[in-house]
Amino acid sequence: EPEVTQTPSHQVTQMGQEVILRCVPISNHLYFYWYRQILGQKVEFLVSFYNNEISEKSEIFDDQFSVERPDGSNFTLKIRSTKLEDSAMYFCASSVLGGAAVGELFFGEGSRLTVL
Amino acid sequence: ELKVEQNPLFLSMQEGKNYTIYCNYSTTSDRLYWYRQDPGKSLESLFVLLSNGAVKQEGRLMASLDTKARLSTLHITAAVHDLSATYFCAVDMRTGANNLFFGTGTRLTVIP
Repeated sequence: EPEVTQTPSHQVTQMGQEVILRCVPISNHLYFYWYRQILGQKVEFLVSFYNNEISEKSEIFDDQFSVERPDGSNFTLKIRSTKLEDSAMYFCASSVLGGAAVGELFFGEGSRLTVL
Repeated sequence: ELKVEQNPLFLSMQEGKNYTIYCNYSTTSDRLYWYRQDPGKSLESLFVLLSNGAVKQEGRLMASLDTKARLSTLHITAAVHDLSATYFCAVDMRTGANNLFFGTGTRLTVIP
């Protein structure tokens, strides 16, 4: 069964360092998303991406964050200068449909980021 | 500000019992999702509810949506231990980007 895959599963970094989290969405999906979940809390939307550009982003997704789809298969989330409060589980998701159409999101296993 | 509140936050129930988890939301939306999350794991899609009055069932779980009351329920019938997990409802913000706003989650523990 097709699935969303994420790497790394866990990354530990020092405050101020750059981090790139990688995702391979399901192959025929067109819409891509990043969500995050701080330990023990609810899941929060970060950004959605379609047709090689950001569709929408939340207040959390500030200038320290960026996304790109460099090669047609990977979808990456970059945090330029990590802060302690960036420590969370980051989930990538993808969907076939989006926008006005119903898009069931399929989530990856997550990348746990720990900022020291 | 959009709010999605689940009730209860923690639920401990015995095997064989029935219970309902409630999800109230504060915005108009006709798309409501239920997800299951096991500890340290990803989010597994359970139900997608697309219209007022929608009801879906899968095994011991049944979900319903009342858009006028802005309420969705997840009913558990004859609970078994394997259902122990955290259950999230999520509302589609309808901004055209499948921006899901998640509830606080309900941690369910089924006791043998």
